[in-house]
Amino acid sequence: SQTIHQWPATLVQPVGSPLSLECTVEGTSNPNLYWYRQAAGRGLQLLFYSVGIGQISSEVPQNLSASRPQDRQFILSSKKLLLSDSGFYLCAWRKPGQANTEAFFGQGTRLTVV
Amino acid sequence: DAKTTQPPSMDCAEGRAANLPCNHSTISGNEYVYWYRQIHSQGPQYIIHGLKNNETNEMASLIITEDRKSSTLILPHATLRDTAVYYCIVRVNYGGSQGNLIFGKGTKLSVKP
Repeated sequence: SQTIHQWPATLVQPVGSPLSLECTVEGTSNPNLYWYRQAAGRGLQLLFYSVGIGQISSEVPQNLSASRPQDRQFILSSKKLLLSDSGFYLCAWRKPGQANTEAFFGQGTRLTVV
Repeated sequence: DAKTTQPPSMDCAEGRAANLPCNHSTISGNEYVYWYRQIHSQGPQYIIHGLKNNETNEMASLIITEDRKSSTLILPHATLRDTAVYYCIVRVNYGGSQGNLIFGKGTKLSVKP
């Protein structure tokens, strides 16, 4: 069966510090991978998606970047965090190439920038 | 993308059916309707999806109107653990977006004893 791992679960970082959040998927090959962010009291915003190694698409301009160094690994990064980067970050995966497959989400990382 | 409109909140008594509406009047013919829910501080959980026909699984039923402009998610016997934010999503599927799920604000369902 497929599983998705996301860590850490919580993180408190000072403004200006770097960020690296990691997400890995097991039990599937060549998944579509996604990073979402949920600010306090708001809906989920799609940040990045990837359809393959080294292929990253950004949905919104921001202070963050994403990378996919391996097929089932998706990393969210920042060189210098801003207060506005605080939020709940979620990684998700979906089977590629099919029009009606569901997405599976990790348990999320709650980031607080202080 | 087709947009969805949901009431911001609803209450339901424990053991009763919860009927959550969603309007998607601009839906295209090949776009599916998906429902997810998010329990506080957890990742969203897939519930059900459909294209034209009504669907049922172990969690819920999805009723889609004949013109596909609206749908209703039905939790037949709501429990306290069903308290969550429920998202109705029409799946984008064009060009390079690879069918990304675009979430709105959802409906906060509160199941009360």
